[in-house]
Amino acid sequence: DTAVSQTPKYLVTQMGNDKSIKCEQNLGHDTMYWYKQDSKKFLKIMFSYNNKELIINETVPNRFSPKSPDKAHLNLHINSLELGDSAVYFCASSLSGTTYNEQFFGPGTRLTVL
Amino acid sequence: SQKIEQNSEALNIQEGKTATLTCNYTNYSPAYLQWYRQDPGRGPVFLLLIRENEKEKRKERLKVTFDTTLKQSLFHITASQPADSATYLCAHYNQGGKLIFGQGTELSVKP
Repeated sequence: DTAVSQTPKYLVTQMGNDKSIKCEQNLGHDTMYWYKQDSKKFLKIMFSYNNKELIINETVPNRFSPKSPDKAHLNLHINSLELGDSAVYFCASSLSGTTYNEQFFGPGTRLTVL
Repeated sequence: SQKIEQNSEALNIQEGKTATLTCNYTNYSPAYLQWYRQDPGRGPVFLLLIRENEKEKRKERLKVTFDTTLKQSLFHITASQPADSATYLCAHYNQGGKLIFGQGTELSVKP
C-alpha cells in the first residue's frame, strides 16, 4: 500500500562519511523530487527528475548526487558528509499534466551527522 | 524575489473553534496555491488547491480563500478537533516549475 517509501528512516553517521538514501514510488508517477527540511522546518527543493532526466538542480553542493535508475526510483548519494547536512530529507513524486499537480511525499529520512 | 510567507508563530485554539491560518505572497501572482498538512515525523500531505479565479474552495471542514488584491490566502478549519493539530504549509509552483513552500504554521487544538 505504501505510495512513496524511503530508506532508511534514520541515519546517524560521522563527518566525512559517504551515505545514500533510497526512494521508491508505486504511484506510476513520472516526476520525483528530493527536498531538505532544516531544523526550522523550512522545506526546500533540491532536485527533480522527470522520466529519469534531471530537470531541477538547485544550488546544492556537488557532494550531493541524485540518481534515477528508472521512473519509480530516485536515490540520493551524499559524499564527505558535513555537520550542516543534518536535516530531514524528503522524497516526493507527482504526475505531470494533472489538474492539481500535487506532490506525494515519503516519510522522510532523518540524517544526523556527528 | 518571489516570497511566500506564513505566520511562523504557533496557533493555539480550543476544540470546536474555527482555526484561521494565513499565507501571504509578494512580488508575483501565482496562478494557484496549494495547502499541505504535515504531522510530526511524516511528510506533507496535499489537502487543497485554489486557483486565482476562485474566491473560495471547500472540502469537508476545510475552507480556503484566495484574495489576489491582498495577495493572501486564508485556510480555515471549522469545528476544529485535537486531531487537526499539525503544521499546515502553503505552496505554489514558481515559473521554474519548483514547488516553493511557506515556512508553515503549527496548529494546536486543545480539548
